[in-house]
Amino acid sequence: DTGVSQNPRHKITKRGQNVTFRCDPISEHNRLYWYRQTLGQGPEFLTYFQNEAQLEKSRLLSDRFSAERPKGSFSTLEIQRTEQGDSAMYLCASSLVTLAGGKNIQYFGAGTRLSVL
Amino acid sequence: GEDVEQSLFLSVREGDSSVINCTYTDSSSTYLYWYKQEPGAGLQLLTYIFSNMDMKQDQRLTVLLNKKDKHLSLRIADTQTGDSAIYFCAESMGSARQLTFGSGTQLTVLP
Repeated sequence: DTGVSQNPRHKITKRGQNVTFRCDPISEHNRLYWYRQTLGQGPEFLTYFQNEAQLEKSRLLSDRFSAERPKGSFSTLEIQRTEQGDSAMYLCASSLVTLAGGKNIQYFGAGTRLSVL
Repeated sequence: GEDVEQSLFLSVREGDSSVINCTYTDSSSTYLYWYKQEPGAGLQLLTYIFSNMDMKQDQRLTVLLNKKDKHLSLRIADTQTGDSAIYFCAESMGSARQLTFGSGTQLTVLP
């Protein structure tokens, strides 16, 4: 399977616990994005990586959130001290970007659904 | 307010055409996208259009872009029950060229 893979698919945790999600992008893709989707809404941008460099973070990404892409391949998203408001679907997408202003076709994984009790 | 707006619901009869509409605000958007999301699943890219195009056709899908009015539509011909899903329009903007999505249109196909 050469698509974007996310693990786990579901995570249930208690308020105050830390959680970590993993995303494996399509292998030749240089960009990796994290989005959050709440019920009835479209995905919202959180952050992105160009290779191993994290280049932009949304204001939605509070200090409790941290993302890494250590070798420019897979990425992890950690949420510390989870709150009930963190309950959402966390989506990862990857793309191959070669030209400034060129198309940026993002392919999405199936997501990790987080429930904070 | 949202940068990308869509109507929330659409119901059609099997075999009819569906038209899903979207308006966006960023005139500098160069690419616009349509994604499909089935329950509990991620987003599947359906098609995209470059802003210097008016129309793009891909099998049963036709995308129309009115750049002056910042209006995008997706027409699905011969709609089938398997087309029932949420459809998102998205524009690519910002230095990261992250996607900005609408809230999605829930398409229900009735037998």
